[in-house]
Order: sequence, then structure tokens, then C-alpha cells
Amino acid sequence: GAVVSQHPSRVICKSGTSVKIECRSLDFQATTMFWYRQFPKKSLMLMATSNEGSKATYEQGVEKDKFLINHASLTLSTLTVTSAHPEDSSFYICSASRDSGNTDTQYFGPGTRLTVL
Amino acid sequence: GEDVEQSLFLSVREGDSSVINCTYTDSSSTYLYWYKQEPGAGLQLLTYIFSNMDMKQDQRLTVLLNKKDKHLSLRIADTQTGDSAIYFCAEQSGGYQKVTFGIGTKLQVIP
Repeated sequence: GAVVSQHPSRVICKSGTSVKIECRSLDFQATTMFWYRQFPKKSLMLMATSNEGSKATYEQGVEKDKFLINHASLTLSTLTVTSAHPEDSSFYICSASRDSGNTDTQYFGPGTRLTVL
Repeated sequence: GEDVEQSLFLSVREGDSSVINCTYTDSSSTYLYWYKQEPGAGLQLLTYIFSNMDMKQDQRLTVLLNKKDKHLSLRIADTQTGDSAIYFCAEQSGGYQKVTFGIGTKLQVIP
């Protein structure tokens, strides 16, 4: 149980376009979802935390108008990279948790590799 | 803020044991994780330990936690070539379940 999927797994887009990445919890309801970004040869950095039905909480330095997060249901969160530029190329990973407290582990998706040309 | 540190690289011979070490700074950590990432792939949760435990064993994996020193280790017994990957240490703390990752240790297994 506790499977998280992401779609697409890879996406290549032109500079200036917007890209939407979906994160789904397949067999559980995710009260909280998280979006991470992994730079090459670097660790994962938390971008934002979202709770179903409310606005996402962004980490310092993450542009909320650039990275739009929607957590419309208990099984789906989307990350939209708006007006993507080559520096946005990265590996984006989501995770989901069953509760909003501090008692559940996070289950990670397989990641989406974004390449902006 | 929270910080997680681990060495960048470890090389072992096939059949030997691997020990990957990690230190963290947040004393309010609740969960500590070990993730495996193969090239081009996402994160695979290997194991985790709750902060009130000292040790957890799962088949070839042994996790040791020294909470006083804020030191976490992952031992892989009988290391195989398929274990070659990057291993991330991570700690979870805070009311918002924030998970902080280390930079990852690249494990190279020599046949």
C-alpha cells in the first residue's frame, strides 16, 4: 500500500511554455502533499507543502507565482511550472502523507524529469 | 535550521558490508529515513527508524541511531552490485512534517 504516482515521468518543453506535473496517491487519501526539487548531484529541496483544499505553503526562495500548486482532492496534487526557462530544468518529486500531523511518514513518487530547451 | 550531512562517496567490494553514515542537527526529529536512488529514478524508501529506537534490522539492512550524538548509520550486509546507487539520509521533524535530506552518498560496489 501507500503508492504515489507522478505523471509524466519525463517532459521536454520549449522555453516560455507552462508544464503541469501530477502527483497521485493511488491507494490512500493524502491530507498533505509535498513537492521537492532535486538539482543535479544535489539533495532534494522542499519547495512547498500543500493541504487539501487550502493554499500551499512555500519555502523561502520559492516563487509561488512561478510554481503553482493545486491540491484539489485528497488523491491529487498538481505542480505547474509557468513560463518555464532552462534553469527550471530539474527532477521534481512529490510525496504524500496520510495525515497533517507529525505522525505519518511521507511516501514519495517516482519523480518527473523536466527539461526546458 | 535543520541540517543533514553525509559523506559523498563510498566504495566497497561485492560481498563486503557497507556502512553509510549521517549526522543531523535537529533534536526534535521524529523519523529518520534512508532512501535509495538509482540513476534517473525516483526515491525508494529503504527503511526508517522512529527517534525513540536505537536499532532496526530488515534483512540485509541495519539502521543504528545514536540520538545523543545525532548520528544515523545504514549498514548493508553482503553488498551486491545491485546496491550501487545514491543513498539519502533524511530526517523529519516539525509540525509540518518537513523532511530534510542529506546530499546523498554514492555507493559504488566493485565486483
